[in-house]
Formats: sequence, structure tokens, C-alpha cells
Amino acid sequence: QVQVQESGPGLVKPSETLSLTCNVSGGPISNKYWSWIRQPPGKGLEWIGYIYYSGSTNYNPSLKSRVTISVDTSRNQLSLKLSSVTAADTAVYYCARDRGVAVALRYFDSWGQGTLVTVSS
Amino acid sequence: DIVLTQSPGALSLSPGERATLSCRASQSVSSAYLAWYQQKPGQAPRVLIYGASSRATGIPDRFSGSGSGTDFTLTISRLEPEDFAVYYCQQYGSSPRTFGQGTKVEIK
Repeated sequence: QVQVQESGPGLVKPSETLSLTCNVSGGPISNKYWSWIRQPPGKGLEWIGYIYYSGSTNYNPSLKSRVTISVDTSRNQLSLKLSSVTAADTAVYYCARDRGVAVALRYFDSWGQGTLVTVSS
Repeated sequence: DIVLTQSPGALSLSPGERATLSCRASQSVSSAYLAWYQQKPGQAPRVLIYGASSRATGIPDRFSGSGSGTDFTLTISRLEPEDFAVYYCQQYGSSPRTFGQGTKVEIK
């Protein structure tokens, strides 16, 4: 059973860059798509983007200019960077895995517990 | 982007009752690539249904999904105490992947 764990600073200043890491254990990061998803307090879910283990990425156009997702297969780890943050970026950030590579299996079957990032001076 | 609109926003029901949740898409969802997730307070979402009607591993058969094109439904046949939560639909056939705004199923 794969385990997913997000980590990173809980407080980021406005205009700075939010950086989070997702550690994967209990299974390889390979041959899967991995997404970052966020949820502002009391609100719904927003897909940020995904990365394939090979390094190819796809970002939500609403965030594309500010987002970078990268992967380190040797450490079974992926990361998220979101630049020029504002209070609107305050959210719980989740790392999640697609069930499979085929489009029919690209739903999220494993999630981390999420990490709250607050943007405030 | 495909906009998913869930209704109702909240549903007040008693244990044992049937819950019917709706998810309507702004355009056709490719090959019914639609999933339903359950989220409880302080927890990550958990997948219940994928492909509009297939139950994920370990999901009880009181949960069922149906629909195609632009109209999808999640039905909980008899609510158990642990089913009171927020439910989200999500499409994964088109990029960007999008979620509905959620339906809260609360105890009456």
C-alpha cells in the first residue's frame, strides 16, 4: 500500500515562493502520474497540475505561469513550487496519485493527508 | 474548462434514507471519465466511484454511480452514520481536470 506524505513550511510571506515536497513510500514513483491539488479552508478542490515519472508535466492554465512541479525518482519524491503567492493561495495542499497510466484510470486513488500553507506577512 | 455543477449544495437526511447527488457538466465528459470522492473533516478525499459507475476497491455496494454525457448521479442506497460527509465529482477526461463544488450530506 503506497503512502504519500506532504511536507514544507506552513507559513509563506506574500510575493515569495511556496515550496512543498511529497514523499512516496511503499511503492515506486515510476509509471504513474502524480498530481498536486489544493483546497482553501472551507472550500472545494482545485487541481494544480501533474507530473509523470519521466518528468513530463501538465499544469492548470489558471496557475501555469507560477507553477513548477518536478520529480526525483531516485528519492521517490516530487515537489511543488508556486511563485508570487498571495493570500488567495492559502490552502491545504495535497499530493495524489493516479490509479494508472491509461486515461480511463487517471482518477486519484492515493492521497497524502495534506499540508496547510498560510500566506501571510 | 469543463465546469461541474453539483446539486443540491447540502442534503439533510436520516440514517437509513436514500441520498441522490447530482453532477452536471458544462460539456460532455469524455467516455464517462468521471469520479466521485468522499471527504470527511480533516481528511483527504477518498475515491468512491470511477468511470461514472465502477466502484473503487473496498467501497460498499450501497454506493452506486450512473450517468453519461453531461449528467451524472451518485446514489447512496441506505445512509450509514459514517456516510455523512462532503461528496465531490471530478472529471479526468479533459485538461484541466476539474472538480464540482461539493455536496454536503448532513444528519437531519
